[in-house]
Amino acid sequence: GAVVSQHPSRVICKSGTSVKIECRSLDFQATTMFWYRQFPKKSLMLMATSNEGSKATYEQGVEKDKFLINHASLTLSTLTVTSAHPEDSSFYICSARAGYGYTFGSGTRLTVV
Amino acid sequence: GDSVTQMEGPVTLSEEAFLTINCTYTATGYPSLFWYVQYPGEGLQLLLKATKADDKGSNKGFEATYRKETTSFHLEKGSVQVSDSAVYFCALSELGNNRLAFGKGNQVVVIP
Repeated sequence: GAVVSQHPSRVICKSGTSVKIECRSLDFQATTMFWYRQFPKKSLMLMATSNEGSKATYEQGVEKDKFLINHASLTLSTLTVTSAHPEDSSFYICSARAGYGYTFGSGTRLTVV
Repeated sequence: GDSVTQMEGPVTLSEEAFLTINCTYTATGYPSLFWYVQYPGEGLQLLLKATKADDKGSNKGFEATYRKETTSFHLEKGSVQVSDSAVYFCALSELGNNRLAFGKGNQVVVIP
């Protein structure tokens, strides 16, 4: 149980375009989801906490207008990278609280060319 | 604030060797402690966890004991396999706080 599905697993987009990443909880309801960014050989950086039905809480230094988060239902949160640039290329991972632990999506490799 | 410190640098060892990855933490309360594993190109998977002092988490031959006196949660495995090659993250979560605090992760490479 407690599976989180993240889609797409890989995406390549042109500079200036927007990309949407979806995170779904398949067999449980997730009132809170988390979005992380992982740089090569670095740890996970929490970008924002996504709360169902309300605004996301962003970490210091994360641009709210660039990384739009929508958590419209108890099973779906989306991260949209707007006007993407090559420096936004990274591995993005979502997570949801499930019971006493956390379940992670399989990640999305974003490459902006 | 809460923080997790993992030993520096990648770990390279031979198959069947003993693995230890150190993890120490700083927390204001009584956190739950976790080890996550990330295989190449994938997300994180929970490897094991411990929710209170002296608890031992174990899974797939890996073990870690929650040591409150030394604020540590070191990961060990007695005999590693090539398939254990991955990045290992130590993490903590405080009661009443939704967030996970991660260590920087350790790349483990097991050579045949």
